Amino acid sequence: GAVVSQHPSWVICKSGTSVKIECRSLDFQATTMFWYRQFPKQSLMLMATSNEGSKATYEQGVEKDKFLINHASLTLSTLTVTSAHPEDSSFYICSASGRAFGELFFGEGSRLTVL
Amino acid sequence: GQSLEQPSEVTAVEGAIVQINCTYQTSGFYGLSWYQQHDGGAPTFLSYNALDGLEETGRFSSFLSRSDSYGYLLLQELQMKDSASYFCAVRDPGRGTASKLTFGTGTRLQVTL
Repeated sequence: GAVVSQHPSWVICKSGTSVKIECRSLDFQATTMFWYRQFPKQSLMLMATSNEGSKATYEQGVEKDKFLINHASLTLSTLTVTSAHPEDSSFYICSASGRAFGELFFGEGSRLTVL
Repeated sequence: GQSLEQPSEVTAVEGAIVQINCTYQTSGFYGLSWYQQHDGGAPTFLSYNALDGLEETGRFSSFLSRSDSYGYLLLQELQMKDSASYFCAVRDPGRGTASKLTFGTGTRLQVTL
């Protein structure tokens, strides 16, 4: 079964509104989670590293004020897309480290469509 | 920075063998991973190579040559359900146990009858 659960799986919102996506680790504690974004037929691009109890680390070019990340507990990280615009429409996927090096468990992904 | 290149598309017939290549340029190297992603779904972990050579897991095998900065994923006895995108990935150095990964450009595999 899934070890990382993501919600919602899809969301449609109006331009200018904010959307929150939740990522939960099931049956294990994740001090670090990763948020990726994927545009159609493209690769996964890391947006930020979510650290429990501290500030997230953002990749170059990712606006931290637009993509708010909160990792308040060992099993929950949230990504909030603030003032969403159509160009933010994408597939957002969270992940947590597995036991082996090079292994990530991914959530089911959240497809965001901004009208 | 880190970059990983893969062929964009590969087509093969059911029952055949296909090889998906990955060449990488990295600052430090901690192993090569492979992931499968079906349309609309999340990536799933397939394999990991830290050392040179071939790792076999059922119908899938993965190979690594660190001297050539090259690896490949080999899929045998192809099935229709293998139609998906495949990504190679490298772990970012200096991150301790947290597996921050950089993904390759991805290869879309289409299996036909």
